Amino acid sequence: KNEVEQSPQNLTAQEGEFITINCSYSVGISALHWLQQHPGGGIVSLFMLSSGKKKHGRLIATINIQEKHSSLHITASHPRDSAVYICAVEYGNKLVFGAGTILRVKS
Amino acid sequence: NAGVTQTPKFQVLKTGQSMTLQCAQDMNHEYMSWYRQDPGMGLRLIHYSVGAGITDQGEVPNGYNVSRSTTEDFPLRLLSAAPSQTSVYFCATLSFRQTTGELFFGEGSRLTVL
Repeated sequence: KNEVEQSPQNLTAQEGEFITINCSYSVGISALHWLQQHPGGGIVSLFMLSSGKKKHGRLIATINIQEKHSSLHITASHPRDSAVYICAVEYGNKLVFGAGTILRVKS
Repeated sequence: NAGVTQTPKFQVLKTGQSMTLQCAQDMNHEYMSWYRQDPGMGLRLIHYSVGAGITDQGEVPNGYNVSRSTTEDFPLRLLSAAPSQTSVYFCATLSFRQTTGELFFGEGSRLTVL
């Protein structure tokens, strides 16, 4: 079993929809990261969380340490949000990544 | 402040050839790491380092060597390339000390081994 599981693997949404991507992990972590990768592009950091909730524009990330679960929400989705969203956890001195969620937003 | 500089962006090798992927950062991050990204597999950790002189193996270390002689540089060496090493490689850095803890990535290196 992978230490970091993301769901769904693939997600297609209509422009304007509210989107949720989930990340569950099985180890004790010190922090969790949400990342974005556009097709053929580099990887950029969206959020780092160790507790609670963070918001940046239309993106909201939450984490529940007790339940070992985090969610990334996108409000009022837009075709430019189409990308792979990756969850990564820090534990010990390592980073472990989920397999990613491929999001496609149709206009 | 250039962030993370990763070179080369593209490389084609023949089986058995050697090469080095370079990763340099100017943010004084203690953590540096190499990942490979294959279709449907996500990012897999090859090697990582938590400071100069300290390296450790990740999930898929076979066929790769690393060293960390300075805080800034963390090269990844392929001593005898194999077709199974065809992949996109990313270097990532992080400071565990900083409260923002932002993760930085290089632009990626697409390697093809024939």
